[in-house]
Amino acid sequence: VMTQSPDSLAVSLGERATINCKSSQSVLYSSDNKNYLAWFQKKPGQPPKLLIYWATTRESGVPDRFSGSGSGTDFTLTISSLQPEDVAVYYCQQYYSPIYSFGQGTKLEIK
Amino acid sequence: QVHLVQSGAEVKKPGASVKVSCKASGHTFSYYDINWVRQATGQGLQWMGWMNPNSGNTGYAQKFQGRVTMTRNVSIATSYMELSSLTPDDTAVYYCARRGSRGMDVWGQGTTVIVSS
Repeated sequence: VMTQSPDSLAVSLGERATINCKSSQSVLYSSDNKNYLAWFQKKPGQPPKLLIYWATTRESGVPDRFSGSGSGTDFTLTISSLQPEDVAVYYCQQYYSPIYSFGQGTKLEIK
Repeated sequence: QVHLVQSGAEVKKPGASVKVSCKASGHTFSYYDINWVRQATGQGLQWMGWMNPNSGNTGYAQKFQGRVTMTRNVSIATSYMELSSLTPDDTAVYYCARRGSRGMDVWGQGTTVIVSS
């Protein structure tokens, strides 16, 4: 089970946004020392977009204001300087076990 | 360029089944598991299951066990997701996604399924 916090968040343009994700089980795979945790951005009418994989690696083309941190069971997505196009719902997902569950989502808005 | 192209929107009556297709191009079809994820209006992303196109092996979320079947046709690089015994609660946008070592990195455009009498 993946649990995100908060459920919604309002941040001023140019300010930092932080979203947390907690897994009920460790997603750290011992054989390669990688955390099988991804972050997605979801906008209406579009498929989810992969932002971060292995908990900390930015997908190609994703702006460097997006960063991921954490290990084991606790993870964070940080947007360092919020831009208007970042308004979306953000989801974490573990892809460690064969049950690839998502968090419930965090809705990010402009304050 | 890698693409997953899904079949068009469907309208079904309660109790019916729906079969959504997902055609892959630009990568070796058998190398990547295909996952299915849905999103009902106003709800979050819900993972439904995965299928290995090479072996045909599948794994389904408990919520959909007994109601979902994932198959493939390797010759045309196409995966399928069939959901039976539909209810209005199954009204959603259904997505296929490729699962590699980076996770679900390529997604289909989504298929809207409406269940209504």
